[in-house]
Amino acid sequence: AQSVTQLGSHVSVSEGALVLLRCNYSSSVPPYLFWYVQYPNQGLQLLLKYTTGATLVKGINGFEAEFKKSETSFHLTKPSAHMSDAAEYFCAVSESGGSNYKLTFGKGTLLTVNP
Amino acid sequence: EPEVTQTPSHQVTQMGQEVILRCVPISNHLYFYWYRQILGQKVEFLVSFYNNEISEKSEIFDDQFSVERPDGSNFTLKIRSTKLEDSAMYFCASGSTANYGYTFGSGTRLTVV
Repeated sequence: AQSVTQLGSHVSVSEGALVLLRCNYSSSVPPYLFWYVQYPNQGLQLLLKYTTGATLVKGINGFEAEFKKSETSFHLTKPSAHMSDAAEYFCAVSESGGSNYKLTFGKGTLLTVNP
Repeated sequence: EPEVTQTPSHQVTQMGQEVILRCVPISNHLYFYWYRQILGQKVEFLVSFYNNEISEKSEIFDDQFSVERPDGSNFTLKIRSTKLEDSAMYFCASGSTANYGYTFGSGTRLTVV
C-alpha cells in the first residue's frame, strides 16, 4: 500500500523567498512521484514528475523536486516565490511497474505568498 | 495543449436522485480515472478504466457508482441514488502508457441537498 504525508497544511512565504513544500511517501515498490498544483476553482495541473533516472526533476513555473530514496522524500522547491504561486500543492505517489497508475495523494499544502 | 473536459462544472441534485457526470478525455489516451475531493480533504481515487472495463476501484466506489465509455469519446460517472456525503468535487483524468502523470479535468462540483 502507498501513502503520502505532506508536512504543513499551510505554508506562508514572502514574495522572493524560497519555497519549500515537504512530501514523504511510503511505497512497497519503487515509486513514481508527482507534484500537482490546484489554483482556486480549477483542476489539478501537473507540476513535475519523477519516474526513473535523474533524481532532481524540473517542472513548470520554476519548481523542482528531488527524489531521495534514503529519506523517502520528494520535497518541492522554488528559489524565489511569486505572487502567482499562491495555490494548493499536492504530492502524489504511484507504483512503478503497475498497469494502472493509480495515484495516492497527500492532503495538500496551501501556499500563500505575501507581498 | 490537449485538455480533459468535464461537464457540468457545477451540479445540484436532491438526495436520492441519479446524476451523471460527463468527461471527454484526451483522444489518444488509454487510461481513464475518476477521483473525488470532499471539501477540505484529500483527493481520493474512485475508479480506473482501461480497455473498456474497470481495472481497479476503491472501497468508496460501491454499487451506487458506475462508469461507462459509451461512444469511444465520452467517459461518464453515474451515481444511482445520491447521498448527502456524495457532495464533492469530482475529477476525471486520462493518461497514456507513455506519459506517467495524467491530465485532470477542471472538475464537477456536485452538491447533494
